[in-house]
Amino acid sequence: QVQLQESGPGLVKPSQTLSLTCTVSGGSISSGGYYWTWIRQPAGKGLEWIGRIYTDGSTNYNPSLKSRVAISVDTSKNQFSLNLNSVTAADTAVYYCASRRNGGGFDYWGQGTLVTVSS
Amino acid sequence: DIVLTQSPGTLSLSPGERATLSCRASQTISSHLAWYQQKPGQAPRLLIYGASSRATGIPDRFSGSQSGTDFTLTISRVEAEDFAVYSCQQYTSSPITFGQGTRLETK
Repeated sequence: QVQLQESGPGLVKPSQTLSLTCTVSGGSISSGGYYWTWIRQPAGKGLEWIGRIYTDGSTNYNPSLKSRVAISVDTSKNQFSLNLNSVTAADTAVYYCASRRNGGGFDYWGQGTLVTVSS
Repeated sequence: DIVLTQSPGTLSLSPGERATLSCRASQTISSHLAWYQQKPGQAPRLLIYGASSRATGIPDRFSGSQSGTDFTLTISRVEAEDFAVYSCQQYTSSPITFGQGTRLETK
């Protein structure tokens, strides 16, 4: 059973970079056909897809965030990471890492981590 | 971006009643639609993918259907544990988008 766990600072100052890591257990991040994804949810609002990295290392980002976001993978640690720069209060949200296979929904999720942008 | 519009915003039902939740896509998405259940403080849980296929471990009281760009999640008989927020999501094109959610609450 694949499990995902987010980690990283819960508080980030405005204009700085938000950095989160998702650790994958119960399976290899290098195994074929998975989209390793970051999704966020502001309090009381809907889910927003941030972007993903595929098993082959290719990335795809939400155009609304594309200029500020980068997702990378560390296969040696079985982790993938999110960097979001120049953050503002509007980036305050619960951040989830999740995975899905081609043709399916997100079947594995981390528990989520609240990141607050405030000075 | 593909917009998913869910209705109603809130659905008030009693246990044992039938729940019908709708999700309309702004353009054709084939059957590339998933449904999720989310309870307070928890991550979403995949219920349905491919518009009508139940995810692993999902009770058969949950079902999904499609008519063109209109998608429906049906809970045949609502149980106490089913009161939550339900969201739809399309994965036919990037960016992946989600509906705004329907809250199923106790009447």
